[in-house]
Amino acid sequence: SSELTQDPAVSVALGQTVRITCQGDSLRSYYASWYQQKAGQAPILVIYPKNNRPSGIPDRFSGSSSGNTASLTITGAQAEDEADYYCSSRYNNGNHWLFGGGTKLTVL
Amino acid sequence: QVQLQESGPGLVKPSETLSLTCTVSGDSVTSDNYYWSWIRQPPGKGLEWIGYIYDIGRTNYHPSLKSRVTISVDTSKNQFSLKLTSVTAADTAVYFCACLMIRGADNWFDPWGQGTLVTVSS
Repeated sequence: SSELTQDPAVSVALGQTVRITCQGDSLRSYYASWYQQKAGQAPILVIYPKNNRPSGIPDRFSGSSSGNTASLTITGAQAEDEADYYCSSRYNNGNHWLFGGGTKLTVL
Repeated sequence: QVQLQESGPGLVKPSETLSLTCTVSGDSVTSDNYYWSWIRQPPGKGLEWIGYIYDIGRTNYHPSLKSRVTISVDTSKNQFSLKLTSVTAADTAVYFCACLMIRGADNWFDPWGQGTLVTVSS
């Protein structure tokens, strides 16, 4: 498959833990990166391979991977984490890049 | 720290050519640290990688857009540009420039420009 599949929407209660998943064959060869996009803004990188956080990203964000699935976990979700989250990976033929369809996270 | 800023017309007529520029600050477009990339997002939809330019002249484009896309570099202005020919309403999107980092099997996009909306309409 040349796709990365994400659940369209996920919700979490304030302060609870949520996992957002991304599935695709390319993830067996390449690690995913994860992006947060708030309404009207550009995406920002929150997790890069191998499950590292850029400077300034809170440590409640973490990443993991197994087989064809990558996961973004937010431990103790905050109101400001409400956003769309996208995974990305290199296509498994190495020639182009893919994005998942995005997951809209609602913090209740 | 690299910063990116897109610029260009916000309205393009069908069948014409979309042209956008990304101005780079904080590094040189001749740097081999980055693959200078374009990504787009149709209104209300997800992200789509368009392509990149590396090492001034080496390019790689999304297979579905390859026949219509050209990415180039202007070293004198420290900019890289996107041209998309024969546009239709389906090309209406926010266009982002971004730095693609490739480190072996690891890769990620960071940073991103703020994005610019291009509408294709007569």
